[in-house]
Amino acid sequence: QPVVTQPPSASASLGASVTLTCTLNSGYSNYIVAWYQQRPGKGPRFVMRVATGGIVGSRGEGIPGRFSVLGSGLNRYLTIKNIQEEDEGDYHCGADHGDGSNFVYVFGPGTRVTVL
Amino acid sequence: EVQLVESGGRLVQPGRTLRLSCVASGFTFHNHAIHWVRQVPGKGLEWVSGISWNSASIAYADSVRGRITISRDNARNSVYLQMNSLKPEDTAFYFCARGAVATIEYFFESWGQGTLVTVSS
Repeated sequence: QPVVTQPPSASASLGASVTLTCTLNSGYSNYIVAWYQQRPGKGPRFVMRVATGGIVGSRGEGIPGRFSVLGSGLNRYLTIKNIQEEDEGDYHCGADHGDGSNFVYVFGPGTRVTVL
Repeated sequence: EVQLVESGGRLVQPGRTLRLSCVASGFTFHNHAIHWVRQVPGKGLEWVSGISWNSASIAYADSVRGRITISRDNARNSVYLQMNSLKPEDTAFYFCARGAVATIEYFFESWGQGTLVTVSS
């Protein structure tokens, strides 16, 4: 099954841009990754999915156009442009593997985003 | 509006049992798989279990297999997580999440606010 890694933290000044990275382990370069946003004290919220070709499907409900994704090799990126205070929180990426009773879902450790 | 509301979390002693519930509204419940994901406070997310629309497909994480049972009642728009032989390492917020499709694959479109399970003597 895949293993997903993320840097623990990232920061950007209000109105600037930040790019978060989610990395799959070797052999899983064709996997789709989903990004989830979790504001402090709240449940996670689906942002969007990304493969090497870019976004897969649609943005999650209420996710603004300032959020975009790219994929390259084993890396899946989430970029937040014109970052706002409401974007502060933890960002988790994850990937599914298998089907039926063999299904598993693997999350990365999460990246905490701070708006300066 | 899609809503998932978890309940049942509380302080429980090691070795005891607990049943969590997730009640859904705002969408056609039987068109979606439902999953449970947990989070130790201050830590990352861990997928726990998932159940397909008709309960034909059920999957568990290795960390809970044999101690946890997921079930659903489509007439009540509800999913349950029966937790047995609880361990201190089961302490976490437990989130209910709606799958993107009727089968258990893919990703989680909507999430609840979570219920806290604390396992301690």
